[in-house]
Amino acid sequence: GENVEQHPSTLSVQEGDSAVIKCTYSDSASNYFPWYKQELGKRPQLIIDIRSNVGEKKDQRIAVTLNKTAKHFSLHITETQPEDSAVYFCAASIGGSTLGRLYFGRGTQLTVWP
Amino acid sequence: KAGVTQTPRYLIKTRGQQVTLSCSPISGHRSVSWYQQTPGQGLQFLFEYFSETQRNKGNFPGRFSGRQFSNSRSEMNVSTLELGDSALYLCASSLGTGMNTEAFFGQGTRLTVV
Repeated sequence: GENVEQHPSTLSVQEGDSAVIKCTYSDSASNYFPWYKQELGKRPQLIIDIRSNVGEKKDQRIAVTLNKTAKHFSLHITETQPEDSAVYFCAASIGGSTLGRLYFGRGTQLTVWP
Repeated sequence: KAGVTQTPRYLIKTRGQQVTLSCSPISGHRSVSWYQQTPGQGLQFLFEYFSETQRNKGNFPGRFSGRQFSNSRSEMNVSTLELGDSALYLCASSLGTGMNTEAFFGQGTRLTVV
């Protein structure tokens, strides 16, 4: 099955700085890559996603890039704010016979210091 | 549009007992996936149901089972509870057909086994 690795496990940045979280996947058939943000005690919330036919997607301060050749994708947060502090999870989905299943990375605890 | 609803929010059970958790997906969504979230193991896939059929299954023992009803609501059951089953159980709903689509999580059920 698919294996998703996520780095770093913890990340501390100063408010206003950028944060980058990286993930790699093993199955070249993976074609959908969502990112979730989970605040303490709350549900994971989808913040951005990208499909394999797109190399980059941006939504305000958040962007995701995908390199299919290298099988890695990254989340970029610019102008970080204290409310960005949370655990971020990357995920990959193969679709087809496993449509509906997400393979998650272990998560990155992001702390933004004011 | 109502989000994904899980009940109950919290449960305390004794070893050896069984428990049933419920998930009501977003209206129109036919796929419901279940995940176990623990600090040590992250988000682990349990199973996914689509149109009342189990379509995918993760690597959990047979004590973990589920079902889906004709209105897409899903239940998962854990029998003969063990201390290690203490976790946050999350369900996610999605359309479940065609290309991969966004999956939205419920707020989870926190299960504590004592």
